[in-house]
Amino acid sequence: AQTVTQSQPEMSVQEAETVTLSCTYDTSESDYYLFWYKQPPSRQMILVIRQEAYKQQNATENRFSVNFQKAAKSFSLKISDSQLGDAAMYFCAYRSAANNDMRFGAGTRLTVKP
Amino acid sequence: DAMVIQNPRYQVTQFGKPVTLSCSQTLNHNVMYWYQQKSSQAPKLLFHYYDKDFNNEADTPDNFQSRRPNTSFCFLDIRSPGLGDAAMYLCATSREIVGSQPQHFGDGTRLSIL
Repeated sequence: AQTVTQSQPEMSVQEAETVTLSCTYDTSESDYYLFWYKQPPSRQMILVIRQEAYKQQNATENRFSVNFQKAAKSFSLKISDSQLGDAAMYFCAYRSAANNDMRFGAGTRLTVKP
Repeated sequence: DAMVIQNPRYQVTQFGKPVTLSCSQTLNHNVMYWYQQKSSQAPKLLFHYYDKDFNNEADTPDNFQSRRPNTSFCFLDIRSPGLGDAAMYLCATSREIVGSQPQHFGDGTRLSIL
């Protein structure tokens, strides 16, 4: 079974600075999808960014970008110009292309300091 | 505009007393999911519906059941809640069951057991 590991339970960043959240996963599949979700306190989980494994180019969404290293099975999230509203729990998720098997990491709690 | 709506936001029930959590969606998505999320942990998939086809995760407890009377609504029934069932319950939808389609989450229902 696929596993997703987020090795940083908590991270903090100064406002306007850059922070990178780590995610590694274990799979024997070659085709899959990776996601980063953000869950603010007491609010719904929303998609931040996604990456198809067959694409070599790293996904980017405004201030959010990923560093996808397929061989290393690594999928880190970089947040540039951090804002107070970025404070949340961030979950890395893996989804098989063959079935509906979606696995979440344990999450990283990001604090943004003013 | 809320697209995945969970009611209620907070639910309190007594040990062993059946409880039903509800979820509705305005996205007309084919797939609806129920996740259990305990404090500081990753969401854990309980089951999902693809249209009317029900798929139960192997380790979902037997006292958890679900109903999907139509495309828009999905219910989570807990027949005899135990103290260990206290958690946040997340409903999510996606257009299709495979692929890079993201899941859209509701705000969740926080269930407390007295």
